[in-house]
Amino acid sequence: DAGITQSPRHKVTETGTPVTLRCHQTENHRYMYWYRQDPGHGLRLIHYSYGVKDTDKGEVSDGYSVSRSKTEDFLLTLESATSSQTSVYFCAISVSLGNTIYFGEGSWLTVV
Amino acid sequence: AQKITQTQPGMFVQEKEAVTLDCTYDTSDPSYGLFWYKQPSSGEMIFLIYQGSYDQQNATEGRYSLNFQKARKSANLVISASQLGDSAMYFCAMRGLDSGNTGKLIFGQGTTLQVKP
Repeated sequence: DAGITQSPRHKVTETGTPVTLRCHQTENHRYMYWYRQDPGHGLRLIHYSYGVKDTDKGEVSDGYSVSRSKTEDFLLTLESATSSQTSVYFCAISVSLGNTIYFGEGSWLTVV
Repeated sequence: AQKITQTQPGMFVQEKEAVTLDCTYDTSDPSYGLFWYKQPSSGEMIFLIYQGSYDQQNATEGRYSLNFQKARKSANLVISASQLGDSAMYFCAMRGLDSGNTGKLIFGQGTTLQVKP
């Protein structure tokens, strides 16, 4: 158990509303990542963090922002949700750049 | 840029037989790691096996082995003695390992494996 908690696990929201997904870890790992999973695309990186207040964009960052004000929490925000952001969102954490990457259980987001 | 290609959208295998899931990659990083994950219908991502680019031997983990051919840039997953519980989506992924890297994983599109009784 890598101590990763994603919340909420399931959410239905309306187009145009803001949504924040939270990834919480208990292990003080440095690297944290947000991915989205869509049919036919596998997992695609949205944003990642390599330390407190150190974040950068992934390949599908448009429409998303992130914040990491403390080691244990990495927040993903959809400022104004759109139907194209209906997806499953996974958080991942990594101790270092080796062979250990842990995934959260996923957050199912539906934008109607 | 890094890229992972899984060319088999779906595969069938008979129970107790072996199956190979294909993965090819492209990267300019001199040092990298290759991963395989299993995603059952319940949705969680389960780590299966890891191969470092400088590892001398192919990785093995129980019934899983990774057929790593560096010159061909392939990292195929071999599952021996398939079980019904192996039915799932399988993802190949890669990350760069150099000090300037931030370790982000790049994923292939996945292969759906169905094991027939």
